[in-house]
Amino acid sequence: GAVVSQHPSRVICKSGTSVKIECRSLDFQATTMFWYRQFPKKSLMLMATSNEGSKATYEQGVEKDKFLINHASLTLSTLTVTSAHPEDSSFYICSAAPSYLYQETQYFGPGTRLLVL
Amino acid sequence: QKEVEQDPGPLSVPEGAIVSLNCTYSNSAFQYFMWYRQYSRKGPELLMYTYSSGNKEDGRFTAQVDKSSKYISLFIRDSQPSDSATYLCAMSEGIKAAGNKLTFGGGTRVLVKP
Repeated sequence: GAVVSQHPSRVICKSGTSVKIECRSLDFQATTMFWYRQFPKKSLMLMATSNEGSKATYEQGVEKDKFLINHASLTLSTLTVTSAHPEDSSFYICSAAPSYLYQETQYFGPGTRLLVL
Repeated sequence: QKEVEQDPGPLSVPEGAIVSLNCTYSNSAFQYFMWYRQYSRKGPELLMYTYSSGNKEDGRFTAQVDKSSKYISLFIRDSQPSDSATYLCAMSEGIKAAGNKLTFGGGTRVLVKP
C-alpha cells in the first residue's frame, strides 16, 4: 500500500517550452501533496504544498508563475514548469500525505528527472 | 544553524555490521519522526515512523527517539550490500501545527561492503 507514481520518469525539453509532471497516489486519497526539488548529492528542497481544491502554498523564493501546481482531485497533482530554462534542470519529486489523520507522514513518488537543453 | 543536523558521511561498514545513523534537531515542537531510504536517482522510501520517545523495531531496523536530548537514531542490523543508499531523517510538528510539512536532514550516505 501507499504507492505514489510520477509521470514521466525523465524528460528532455528545449529551453522556452513548458513541461508537465503528474503525481498520483495509487491506493489512497491524499488531501495534501508536496513538490520537492533535489540537486545532486543534496537533500530535498520543498517547493510547494498542494491542497486539493485550493491554491498551492509556495515556499519562499519559489516562483509560483514559473512552477504552476494544480491539485484537481484527491489522487492527482500536477507541476508545470513554464518557459523552462537550463537552470530548471533537476530531479523533481512529489509526495502525498494520506487523508487518514492518524499517520502524519508522506509517501514519495519515484521522481522525475528534467533536463532542459 | 540548521533545524536538523545529519552527518553526510559517507559511512562505510562491512557486510553484517550494525549501521548506526543519527540526527539532532533544535525545534522542540517536532513531534513526529521518520527515516527514509533513498537509492540513487529514486524517490525516498519510508522505513520507520515514530511519534514518541523510546525504541521502535521493525525487522532489521530500530528507530530510537530521545526528545529530551533532541536526538534520533536509526540502527540497521545485519547490514547487506543492498542497504547501501542515502538515509534521510525527517521531522514534523504535526498536521494541526504545520499541515504535514516535513523538515529533512541532509542525508547520510551509507556503503555496505561485501
